[in-house]
Amino acid sequence: EPEVTQTPSHQVTQMGQEVILRCVPISNHLYFYWYRQILGQKVEFLVSFYNNEISEKSEIFDDQFSVERPDGSNFTLKIRSTKLEDSAMYFCASRGDRVNGYTFGSGTRLTVV
Amino acid sequence: AQSVSQHNHHVILSEAASLELGCNYSYGGTVNLFWYVQYPGQHLQLLLKYFSGDPLVKGIKGFEAEFIKSKFSFNLRKPSVQWSDTAEYFCAVNNNNAGNMLTFGGGTRLMVKP
Repeated sequence: EPEVTQTPSHQVTQMGQEVILRCVPISNHLYFYWYRQILGQKVEFLVSFYNNEISEKSEIFDDQFSVERPDGSNFTLKIRSTKLEDSAMYFCASRGDRVNGYTFGSGTRLTVV
Repeated sequence: AQSVSQHNHHVILSEAASLELGCNYSYGGTVNLFWYVQYPGQHLQLLLKYFSGDPLVKGIKGFEAEFIKSKFSFNLRKPSVQWSDTAEYFCAVNNNNAGNMLTFGGGTRLMVKP
């Protein structure tokens, strides 16, 4: 079964540093997402991406965040200057047409120290 | 804005007990409904989904869910749980009119005692 792949699985970074979280969505999917889950809290939507542009974003997705699909296969989330409260599990997801469910990656656990 | 409520935060059951996890959502229009499971240390996996048609949906691992539009509910059920069902369960809703993202409930942590 096709998978969404995320790297790295764990990342520890110092406050103020930039991080890039990487995702390889399922190859024929068209919609791409980032979600995050702070420890003990619910999964929150960050951003959706379609046709090479952001289609929707949440209040969490401020100017410190950006997404890119640099080469047609990878889908990256960049946090420009990390804060302690950015520590969370970040999930990438992709989706085909509207009747298909989403497929989630295994997540990247980001710890900001 | 739509919201999703899961009223049971923690559930503890013995093996072979029946399970029902509640999920209610706030939006009154057309919705797509999902249940995801997250085993310890693992990613979200789709258990089942409802888009249209028969409101009783059967998913993997013996789970099913019933969409009751009048109650804005999509409760998850399993007649007989196993120790391996210990996990966190998330209900999620996609409202086509509000974009294409999922709104998740707060999750229900299920522990099944052997």
